[in-house]
Amino acid sequence: RKEVEQDPGPFNVPEGATVAFNCTYSNSASQSFFWYRQDCRKEPKLLMSVYSSGNEDGRFTAQLNRASQYISLLIRDSKLSDSATYLCVVRAPSGYALNFGKGTSLLVTP
Amino acid sequence: EAQVTQNPRYLITVTGKKLTVTCSQNMNHEYMSWYRQDPGLGLRQIYYSMNVEVTDKGDVPEGYKVSRKEKRNFPLILESPSPNQTSLYFCASSVRGETQYFGPGTRLLVL
Repeated sequence: RKEVEQDPGPFNVPEGATVAFNCTYSNSASQSFFWYRQDCRKEPKLLMSVYSSGNEDGRFTAQLNRASQYISLLIRDSKLSDSATYLCVVRAPSGYALNFGKGTSLLVTP
Repeated sequence: EAQVTQNPRYLITVTGKKLTVTCSQNMNHEYMSWYRQDPGLGLRQIYYSMNVEVTDKGDVPEGYKVSRKEKRNFPLILESPSPNQTSLYFCASSVRGETQYFGPGTRLLVL
């Protein structure tokens, strides 16, 4: 079983829509969770960390359910510029290595 | 400016011709790592280093070598490249428990 699994996508949504991505992880000892964003064939960049209590950054809300080993990302009021691949990322218990999901592609259309 | 640099950014080579992709970071990070990214397979870790002279295999180390003689540099060596190593390669660095910063990527085509 892969360490991190994500919705297969792709998601095609109109501007202004709300879209949610889900992710599950297999190692219950994992301590840190993130969403990274990757634009077409460019380097991944941190979008936001995911905290146990849930956290929000503008139009983006991330949530973590440790009992179910489940992470989510909600994007409200989608913009054209949100079109990208979103990577669910879980840090290994060692504290260094990152385990990446395969990513979910989002296309926001006018 | 804090950054991770990789060179070359694009490379076309032939099977069996040794090559090195350099990676350098200016943030004094202990941890550095190499990934390859292929369609449908996502990012897979090749090798990582937790400090100078400390390296270990990731998920897909076959056909690759690395070295960490200085903290800032972590080159990736392909001794005898093969077409299945055609890929997009990323170097990354971080402090333990902190955000990983990625280089801009190296596109490699092995003919």
